[in-house]
Amino acid sequence: DSGVTQTPKHLITATGQRVTLRCSPRSGDLSVYWYQQSLDQGLQFLIHYYNGEERAKGNILERFSAQQFPDLHSELNLSSLELGDSALYFCASSRAGGWETQYFGPGTRLLVL
Amino acid sequence: DAKTTQPNSMESNEEEPVHLPCNHSTISGTDYIHWYRQLPSQGPEYVIHGLTSNVNNRMASLAIAEDRKSSTLILHRATLRDAAVYYCILRVGTGANNLFFGTGTRLTVIP
Repeated sequence: DSGVTQTPKHLITATGQRVTLRCSPRSGDLSVYWYQQSLDQGLQFLIHYYNGEERAKGNILERFSAQQFPDLHSELNLSSLELGDSALYFCASSRAGGWETQYFGPGTRLLVL
Repeated sequence: DAKTTQPNSMESNEEEPVHLPCNHSTISGTDYIHWYRQLPSQGPEYVIHGLTSNVNNRMASLAIAEDRKSSTLILHRATLRDAAVYYCILRVGTGANNLFFGTGTRLTVIP
């Protein structure tokens, strides 16, 4: 158990819908990272938040957005969903904003029908 | 993105050592080499990282070539629990604090 929690574990929705994925970092960790893992693209970095502020963006679509709240939990919002958005979404956390070890949650499996 | 090259798959017998290679010929002086692994149905987990010198921890050892263009992750005695996809990742010195995962090496451990 990494100490990072993600909800929900599974999500099934339809094209065009909007969903919110939630992540709670390990106690004391200030950074949250989001990654997407699909069969054809592998594990891809989406976005990094540090202490409530966006630090870096990766291959995140404009239809996707994220935020980190004052209690440091984070949400990833996915809108206008397409079939290709079906994937595993992982959240990771680290102590600060540098290159400390990242601890990954168990992931949310999203299926868009 | 900084590039690493790993074999797609490897096999090892249980209780034997495993050497997982990684090539990173474009590595620059400030790039760290990180290894993560992903067990089936789980998120990735940190294994080890290093810059120039060989590193040991309770999970594995990391051997880094003198020219730093390649490295090897060493599992001293493979167990069935070590069956996973192993990712070799370069932390780009001045880049953002995110991990660029390649395709990794799928390690199968044979009982």
